[in-house]
Amino acid sequence: DTAVSQTPKYLVTQMGNDKSIKCEQNLGHDTMYWYKQDSKKFLKIMFSYNNKELIINETVPNRFSPKSPDKAHLNLHINSLELGDSAVYFCASSRIAGGVYNEQFFGPGTRLTVL
Amino acid sequence: LAKTTQPISMDSYEGQEVNITCSHNNIATNDYITWYQQFPSQGPRFIIQGYKTKVTNEVASLFIPADRKSSTLSLPRVSLSDTAVYYCLVGVRDSSYKLIFGSGTRLLVRP
Repeated sequence: DTAVSQTPKYLVTQMGNDKSIKCEQNLGHDTMYWYKQDSKKFLKIMFSYNNKELIINETVPNRFSPKSPDKAHLNLHINSLELGDSAVYFCASSRIAGGVYNEQFFGPGTRLTVL
Repeated sequence: LAKTTQPISMDSYEGQEVNITCSHNNIATNDYITWYQQFPSQGPRFIIQGYKTKVTNEVASLFIPADRKSSTLSLPRVSLSDTAVYYCLVGVRDSSYKLIFGSGTRLLVRP
């Protein structure tokens, strides 16, 4: 069983389109994350949800909107896609205990290409 | 400005010990330091986590000095399969709390 799964694995789309990436974890974790990894392999956190509540919201364009319908799911919707949005997006999950971000489990990534 | 710095790349040979250092000047007081390994086309994978002094598990050791402004990941007796990118992750606090990955160290292990 895959612990953290993302769909789709690859996403190729045109500029200006709206797209969503889905993430699910079956580890029983209370915290989920979205990261962006650019072509230079820098990993940057975008959002984090704890028990469906947004706890980290980095400076990303308003075109990016996370949605957490329940603790096991964190989806990422992107409006009006731009060329610079091309990257690999990773979902991750973990527990937070005593304010400590414990070991994060990452999904396989979604490679987004905007043409 | 919160910054987490690592060497860009390192070369080693099979059987050697490799030490990768990460500097994190603005680490938040209560935050742990975590290291991840990433292979091409995969998500990062947890290696080790610590708060201070030394932590050891079955694959690595983590050394953290008293001021906690840096940390060193030690991989004993590396093998070819340890060729990967290694990232440190810390929580830092400047104007607000942030989770920041280091820029990653590309380790190449040669036969």
